[in-house]
Amino acid sequence: DAMVIQNPRYQVTQFGKPVTLSCSQTLNHNVMYWYQQKSSQAPKLLFHYYDKDFNNEADTPDNFQSRRPNTSFCFLDIRSPGLGDAAMYLCATSRRRRAANEKLFFGSGTQLSVL
Amino acid sequence: QKEVEQDPGPLSVPEGAIVSLNCTYSNSAFQYFMWYRQYSRKGPELLMYTYSSGNKEDGRFTAQVDKSSKYISLFIRDSQPSDSATYLCAMSVGNNDMRFGAGTRLTVKP
Repeated sequence: DAMVIQNPRYQVTQFGKPVTLSCSQTLNHNVMYWYQQKSSQAPKLLFHYYDKDFNNEADTPDNFQSRRPNTSFCFLDIRSPGLGDAAMYLCATSRRRRAANEKLFFGSGTQLSVL
Repeated sequence: QKEVEQDPGPLSVPEGAIVSLNCTYSNSAFQYFMWYRQYSRKGPELLMYTYSSGNKEDGRFTAQVDKSSKYISLFIRDSQPSDSATYLCAMSVGNNDMRFGAGTRLTVKP
């Protein structure tokens, strides 16, 4: 089945130690998104790629970076994780860019803990 | 005031009950309204999608949008234990990003 796959499911890192989360998709969608979801809060968009065009949200901290080496893969790099970065990180894809009625396909998420 | 408000619950109902989940919003420009279902330790999946005001029915699920009141609802008839999940409302304007609610956690007890 075509899907969005995130690895790992659970990631534990130390305060200040760089960490990379990965996402792959078999849907061949043009757009890939990274969301941060803290407990009992709404998912918050960090950035998205439309093909190779990177789009950062205005309030996304510089500590968060992303790479998309090809259509299928996208990575989230957290350069110096703080305790406040502990959250579920969700990768999503869509066919079109920010179209109002565009369906998002989500991965199962990576739960990040920062010790 | 948050752009999208959703009661986080938790909400617990017996099997077979009718469930009502709701969101309110402040941006009158929102035109597209969605409900996502998120099972524990999984990503959200699209459940229902409606455009502007009105009702939409899909099996046991009915989505309602009242733009005049800035209020949307999701009704689940004959609820099942398999409906136990967190339900997130989401909405958007034209080409803008979706805005999500915080989600309501629902438990349907056998």
